[in-house]
Amino acid sequence: GAGVSQSPSNKVTEKGKDVELRCDPISGHTALYWYRQSLGQGLEFLIYFQGNSAPDKSGLPSDRFSAERTGGSVSTLTIQRTQQEDSAVYLCASSLVKSGGEGYTFGSGTRLTVV
Amino acid sequence: EDQVTQSPEALRLQEGESSSLNCSYTVSGLRGLFWYRQDPGKGPEFLFTLYSAGEEKEKERLKATLTKKESFLHITAPKPEDSATYLCAVQAASGGSYIPTFGRGTSLIVHP
Repeated sequence: GAGVSQSPSNKVTEKGKDVELRCDPISGHTALYWYRQSLGQGLEFLIYFQGNSAPDKSGLPSDRFSAERTGGSVSTLTIQRTQQEDSAVYLCASSLVKSGGEGYTFGSGTRLTVV
Repeated sequence: EDQVTQSPEALRLQEGESSSLNCSYTVSGLRGLFWYRQDPGKGPEFLFTLYSAGEEKEKERLKATLTKKESFLHITAPKPEDSATYLCAVQAASGGSYIPTFGRGTSLIVHP
């Protein structure tokens, strides 16, 4: 597709359940980022993938969070044993080059609500 | 640690009333400063990248400028469709990290 696609667009889950969020970046983009945006807060960095290099996981808030990127394309963010504080919009972005060049392209996000 | 502070948090303008949004930053060597626009329920949309002090970029009613400590997003004669949250982000030149650090944004409302 022409843009970054994220699914689902909305997810309501019960506390303690696991969730998987998917990001389909622009074809050929080597860099992929996951951010989290809570109400009234800025974008909080979670994890960064660059080509075949080991991902930068320095932003993951706890070991309940993990992510993988298969074949250098689609990425999945998994949150285990969800907590209410995990409620937020999860944004994925990709870029052609790791420096971001002329900007990163963001998806529309997945709004996660933990009840 | 890289820091980005945006002000004001919220701004209300009348249509045609020009103003500026501020992005102050602290970074160990600037690789690039990004401006994004975010509409409700959508992801941020790229506007500009600035790389060095003195650089300016324009797009329609928007003009972004950069100094060694801050960036301004000037909005000339805004229209209601310019209403959005404007985000600033910086990318450090030091080390191998290319991870942009974002500010909290300025929420702009333009009244007709």
